[in-house]
Amino acid sequence: DAGVTQSPTHLIKTRGQHVTLRCSPISGHKSVSWYQQVLGQGPQFIFQYYEKEERGRGNFPDRFSARQFPNYSSELNVNALLLGDSALYLCASSLEGLSYTDTQYFGPGTRLTVL
Amino acid sequence: AQTVTQSQPEMSVQEAETVTLSCTYDTSESDYYLFWYKQPPSRQMILVIRQEAYKQQNATENRFSVNFQKAAKSFSLKISDSQLGDAAMYFCAYRSFPTFQGAQKLVFGQGTRLTINP
Repeated sequence: DAGVTQSPTHLIKTRGQHVTLRCSPISGHKSVSWYQQVLGQGPQFIFQYYEKEERGRGNFPDRFSARQFPNYSSELNVNALLLGDSALYLCASSLEGLSYTDTQYFGPGTRLTVL
Repeated sequence: AQTVTQSQPEMSVQEAETVTLSCTYDTSESDYYLFWYKQPPSRQMILVIRQEAYKQQNATENRFSVNFQKAAKSFSLKISDSQLGDAAMYFCAYRSFPTFQGAQKLVFGQGTRLTINP
């Protein structure tokens, strides 16, 4: 079975631009979470979606938004890019995100560089 | 808010030896989950082991085991018979007990870079 996939692998943008990152969860998984990992740090939670509804949001500005589609894939959008948005963006999928046994499985990430 | 601290930015061990990575956390919750994830240079975060806080027995997965001390809020990872493929960043993570409306977010530590010397 295919794991979590993310596209693109790498992306270079300039300040002020907009970016869209995409994630496809493991087949059968209905929950998708997004994390930002700045170089040298642990991942920070951005969003979680379940059944197309936002379940939670981390401490990120409104420039960050996301959505989940009927096929459970997800997009993360970032507007008005800043240099500090340069990071590895990780997507994780899980069955439902509720059960105590539910585990988040991560994709390979998208490396975003803002110049 | 919950926090996770990994006090060892880097560790190294000889191949076939045993190494222990430390993790402490802060929470006021009584039910939660703890995880160790491995992130090799390929960047993909891989689950190594999971522990439910209500279980007193320490989790074990092949060469990987944990020492969970709930009162001390400590959750260390022991890797036995270290192999070259174990070289990676290791992250300790915390997750609250699930609620229907709450986000199931992982709170990560800063990570420990593990080097295996042949």
